Amino acid sequence: AQKITQTQPGMFVQEKEAVTLDCTYDTSDPSYGLFWYKQPSSGEMIFLIYQGSYDQQNATEGRYSLNFQKARKSANLVISASQLGDSAMYFCAMREDSYNFNKFYFGSGTKLNVKP
Amino acid sequence: DGGITQSPKYLFRKEGQNVTLSCEQNLNHDAMYWYRQDPGQGLRLIYYSQIVNDFQKGDIAEGYSVSREKKESFPLTVTSAQKNPTAFYLCASSMVGQFSQPQHFGDGTRLSIL
Repeated sequence: AQKITQTQPGMFVQEKEAVTLDCTYDTSDPSYGLFWYKQPSSGEMIFLIYQGSYDQQNATEGRYSLNFQKARKSANLVISASQLGDSAMYFCAMREDSYNFNKFYFGSGTKLNVKP
Repeated sequence: DGGITQSPKYLFRKEGQNVTLSCEQNLNHDAMYWYRQDPGQGLRLIYYSQIVNDFQKGDIAEGYSVSREKKESFPLTVTSAQKNPTAFYLCASSMVGQFSQPQHFGDGTRLSIL
């Protein structure tokens, strides 16, 4: 079974609007971390935001926030006030605490295009 | 500044040739990783290492080899057995044993066949 599922291969959003990128995960480990990365066309992977399985509140970092619904095993990334520079690939990733705890699982990514 | 350095940025391989991609980190991380990314696709794990002199195969290890003789260095060799090596290769590192810690990535190497 897929550990991380991103069901939106591509999305468009109008500049200055908010957009939600979906991520669902699969784990039986009670302790895990969820991460979002941004990959511009230049290729580097930029770490955006982290959510821990025990965190009571949704993580926020500037214009990025994470809509964490533990019971549904979803960790959606919300980008507020989209900018042209937000156009990129976005990857959701998970790291478990137990078996193979140094391995990261990545989703297939969502390509976001911000329209002016 | 701490970070991960990958070199070269671009690499060309002739048929039947082995090539080595360099990855160096000064973040004092124990774990290091190599990923392959094809155009428009996600990351696929080639090899990872959690400690010096030890490494594990990832999902697509065939045709690749690695070594981990120093904590700071994790070079990847793309051998002639890898018939379709054209891709973007990313090296990453992380702290071990802490699920809250993210991976840090280098800027990548683009490998093409001549």
